[in-house]
Parts: sequence; C-alpha cells; structure tokens
Amino acid sequence: KAGVTQTPRYLIKTRGQQVTLSCSPISGHRSVSWYQQTPGQGLQFLFEYFSETQRNKGNFPGRFSGRQFSNSRSEMNVSTLELGDSALYLCASSEGPGQPQHFGDGTRLSIL
Amino acid sequence: AQSVTQPDIHITVSEGASLELRCNYSYGATPYLFWYVQSPGQGLQLLLKYFSGDTLVQGIKGFEAEFKRSQSSFNLRKPSVHWSDAAEYFCAVGGNFGNEKLTFGTGTRLTIIP
Repeated sequence: KAGVTQTPRYLIKTRGQQVTLSCSPISGHRSVSWYQQTPGQGLQFLFEYFSETQRNKGNFPGRFSGRQFSNSRSEMNVSTLELGDSALYLCASSEGPGQPQHFGDGTRLSIL
Repeated sequence: AQSVTQPDIHITVSEGASLELRCNYSYGATPYLFWYVQSPGQGLQLLLKYFSGDTLVQGIKGFEAEFKRSQSSFNLRKPSVHWSDAAEYFCAVGGNFGNEKLTFGTGTRLTIIP
C-alpha cells in the first residue's frame, strides 16, 4: 500500500497570503489528522477528520481550517499567513478510532 | 489533560551499546501509547504501540518498550544500536476511542558515535 502522501513538499509564501495543503491518506483509512511541528512548540495537534466530519480540534486560531472529502483526502487551509506559521505540517491517517496513526513526510511551509 | 514528558533532550551512545529513552505520561484513563522516530526531512515513522495486554511490546527495527502503570512510564529500549538509529524519537499518548488527538513529548535526539 502507498503511504500517506502530502503535497506540496515545500512552499514559500509571504505574510498575508493564504495557503492550501493537501493530504492523501493510506487507502482504506478514514481518519485524517493534521499536526504542526516547530522547533519552539514541538508537535501540536491541529484537527482530525473522520468520514468528512471534524471530530477534534486543537488550540489554533480560526485562520487554520480543514476539510475532508468523500474519498478521505483532506486539505488544510491557512489564511492571512503570519511569520509564526512557518512550520512543518504533518498529516496522519488511520483506519479509525483506536488505530495507530501513520504519518506523511509533511509540507514545509516558509513565510517570508 | 494529557501530557508527555521526555526528560532527555539529547542522548549520545556508542554504536553497539544499549539504549533506553525515557517517557512519562499523564492521562486520565488507560492510555494508548506510541513511539515514533523522525529522520531529518522526514515524517514520523511508528516504531511501536501499546493499547492493552502484555506490558512489554515489540516494535520494528529491534526496538521494544515497557509500559509501567505504577510509574506512568513507557520507556523505549534497544539492546544494540546501529549508526542508522540516529534520529529524533517521540513518545506520544492518546489516539484511542473518542480521543484521536495525539499528544507528543518534546522528543529525544539520538546521536550515535562510532
């Protein structure tokens, strides 16, 4: 089986712009979670989707949003980008509740 | 609230030596526990998981971990490290029914010396 695929791998944006990141989960996995990784804050949970419904949300501002499609693919959007949004954004998928999460290689977002 | 503490930020061991990475957790119920490894520029790879049952769990790449409820610990061990084990290791709690959020520790960077 192919692993979790995230696109693009690298992205450079400027302050005030918006960005959309994409995640294709492992085939058959219905749960998709997003995490932000920074040197200062470490790995932080953004949100989790299951069957197109957001079930859990972390402590991030409303500028961070996401959605999941009927084929389980997920997108994450960040609006009005700030310098502090520079990070590695990781997507993880699992078969469902209680199953381990498998991560993609991430999208490295740099804000200038 | 759930939390994970990895007290060692950086550990250096010689190739062939044994390894133990420490992890302490705080969780209100029976925890689901995980160890992940991250190489530079890569995502996280699952090494092993504990859901229930036998408290000594085996993972990939020769790693094992022991769940000790009385000490709220889930330490990762390997009897003999290889140069390819150099990476950052993360302990995580959560991901169980109704709480799919994973809470991670701050990570332990492992350096291997010849």
